[in-house]
Amino acid sequence: ETGVTQTPRHLVMGMTNKKSLKCEQHLGHNAMYWYKQSAKKPLELMFVYNFKEQTENNSVPSRFSPECPNSSHLFLHLHTLQPEDSALYLCASSQYIGLGTGELFFGEGSRLTVL
Amino acid sequence: GESVGLHLPTLSVQEGDNSIINCAYSNSASDYFIWYKQESGKGPQFIIDIRSNMDKRQGQRVTVLLNKTVKHLSLQIAATQPGDSAVYFCADYFGNEKLTFGTGTRLTIIP
Repeated sequence: ETGVTQTPRHLVMGMTNKKSLKCEQHLGHNAMYWYKQSAKKPLELMFVYNFKEQTENNSVPSRFSPECPNSSHLFLHLHTLQPEDSALYLCASSQYIGLGTGELFFGEGSRLTVL
Repeated sequence: GESVGLHLPTLSVQEGDNSIINCAYSNSASDYFIWYKQESGKGPQFIIDIRSNMDKRQGQRVTVLLNKTVKHLSLQIAATQPGDSAVYFCADYFGNEKLTFGTGTRLTIIP
């Protein structure tokens, strides 16, 4: 139990569907992250939020839309995805962002399959 | 571009032996490194970190060695156990706010 909870754990959706991934952290952290993990590729940072403000959008297509209503919750809204978007989506949190605060606490991920 | 975490993709080790997992990085300005462990069906979990002003750091059954001359990082696991089977990633910071991860090494423990 890492203190970061992601739902759903598995999601199958068609290319025209709209769905959302949810992440909640119970660690009192101020920064939250979305990462994409595809087979045989490094973890790809997608978005960073610090004190609810987005500080990083790593050139992510607009069909992925993040939302951070407060420091404990992070959403990833999905719309008109492509099959190549199938991957494990990992949420993480940390006390702060920046050097020296590198310990990210990850959730167990949401396995997304786009048909 | 810069890269980190150029790993051997797989490593098999006999239970009870020591494991050494290697990682190369290309950015000489990288100043903070972290090792993560990812077990099947779980998210990555922090193991140990090291700053660039150190060359060695020890934890419980793990040691990280940093050789800045050749830009090489290694994770040593003593007396490997079945629970050590996982994918191991190194990651680095180089002055910005983002961790950059490598592709990882899958460690398999042979009973």
